[in-house]
Amino acid sequence: DIQMTQSPSSLSASVGDRVTITCRATQGISNYLAWYQQKPGKVPKVLIYAASTLQSGVPSRFSGSGSGTDFTLTISSLQPEDVATYYCQKYNSVPYTFGQGTKLEIK
Amino acid sequence: QVQLVQSGAEVKKPGASVKVSCKASGYTFTRCYMHWVRQAPGQGLEWMGIINPSSGSTTYAQKFQGRVTMSRDTSTSTVYMELSSLRSEDTAVYYCARTPSTSDWYFDLWGRGTLVTVSS
Repeated sequence: DIQMTQSPSSLSASVGDRVTITCRATQGISNYLAWYQQKPGKVPKVLIYAASTLQSGVPSRFSGSGSGTDFTLTISSLQPEDVATYYCQKYNSVPYTFGQGTKLEIK
Repeated sequence: QVQLVQSGAEVKKPGASVKVSCKASGYTFTRCYMHWVRQAPGQGLEWMGIINPSSGSTTYAQKFQGRVTMSRDTSTSTVYMELSSLRSEDTAVYYCARTPSTSDWYFDLWGRGTLVTVSS
C-alpha cells in the first residue's frame, strides 16, 4: 500500500506568517490528493482537492500544489482561526490513506 | 439541507459488536460513494472502507477485513457500519464521509461522528 508522510508533525508560527506543510507519497498518485483541516473537537473539513483546487468557501490564503509524490499545503498569511490539525489524503485508489497529521499552533 | 446524521454514542464490552448508522439527506443518495473513517482519542484519521450506495458493493481496509461490514438501505438513504469482536483499541469516533460524486473521490461532507467506547 502507498504510505503518506507529512512534515512537520507539529508547527508553531506567528499570525501573518507564511506556513507550508508537506506531504509525500511512497508512490506516484498523480494529483489525487486532498487536504483536510480539523479544528479541535470538530469534524474534518476539506480545504483542497485534486492537489490544488480550492474547495468552495475556503479562504484564498489556503493553496495547494504538487503532483506525483510530493505535495504542499500553504497558508499565505496565518490567522488565529487556522489553529487546527491538517491531514493530507490520497484518493487515487483504495486504501484512501491519510497522512499522520500536522498540528498547527499560534506562537 | 445536505447532511449526514449519525447514530448516537455507544458503549460496548470487549468481544461485542457495534452497528453505527449514517442517514443522508438533501441529495441523491445513490450518486455519491460513502466512506467510514475512524479517529482514536488524540490520534489521526484512519480510513476503514467504502460502500457504493447504488450497488451495495464494498471495499474494506485490510486491517478490518473479516471484522467490518458496511451495508445500506436505499429506502431510508442510510448506510451502516458494523464492527465485530470489539477490543479496547477500537475505542474511537467513527465518521461517515461522502464523496461529491462517483467520479470525484475526495470527501466533501462528513457526519458529526459517533463515539464508540469499548470497555469492560
